Amino acid sequence: RKEVEQDPGPFNVPEGATVAFNCTYSNSASQSFFWYRQDCRKEPKLLMSVYSSGNEDGRFTAQLNRASQYISLLIRDSKLSDSATYLCAVTTGAGSYQLTFGKGTKLSVIP
Amino acid sequence: SQTIHQWPATLVQPVGSPLSLECTVEGTSNPNLYWYRQAAGRGLQLLFYSVGIGQISSEVPQNLSASRPQDRQFILSSKKLLLSDSGFYLCAWTPPSGGIDTQYFGPGTRLTVL
Repeated sequence: RKEVEQDPGPFNVPEGATVAFNCTYSNSASQSFFWYRQDCRKEPKLLMSVYSSGNEDGRFTAQLNRASQYISLLIRDSKLSDSATYLCAVTTGAGSYQLTFGKGTKLSVIP
Repeated sequence: SQTIHQWPATLVQPVGSPLSLECTVEGTSNPNLYWYRQAAGRGLQLLFYSVGIGQISSEVPQNLSASRPQDRQFILSSKKLLLSDSGFYLCAWTPPSGGIDTQYFGPGTRLTVL
């Protein structure tokens, strides 16, 4: 099993739709979780951290399920500007500051 | 505020030529520094990380090497490039060890080896 897995997509959704991405991880000792956004030919930029209690930032909601070892990202009311690749990242183990990234899920929001 | 710089932005090199990519961070001291490569169709691959001057850990054995001659400078090198070295090279930083924290990326160097 790969360390961090994501559905590569692409997810093609109309404007205003709600879309959800999942990311599974294999290391049960992982402590920190993140979602990054990467635009075409650009560097990844932090979208949000994922806390045990879940967290919300405007139209974006991230959740963590430790029992099933996955994190999720929900985007409500999709905008054209949300089109990008979304990468999940997971620390490699307890106390580690190294991150393992998924390959990313590509989202295209269509007018 | 902290900023991270990488240069060059793009590079085209022949097979067998040397490589030197530079990354510098401003506005912080003793950051942890990372080099990643993102090849076409593949995820981010951690190549090297450093927790201090002269301290380099390698994640993947290959023909690349890294050095940290100054606190906020991280260099990626190769003596002889391979075709498979083509990719998007990203430098990242986090605050000094003591807690798990987010990694922030530089703008990257796009390398094409011909």
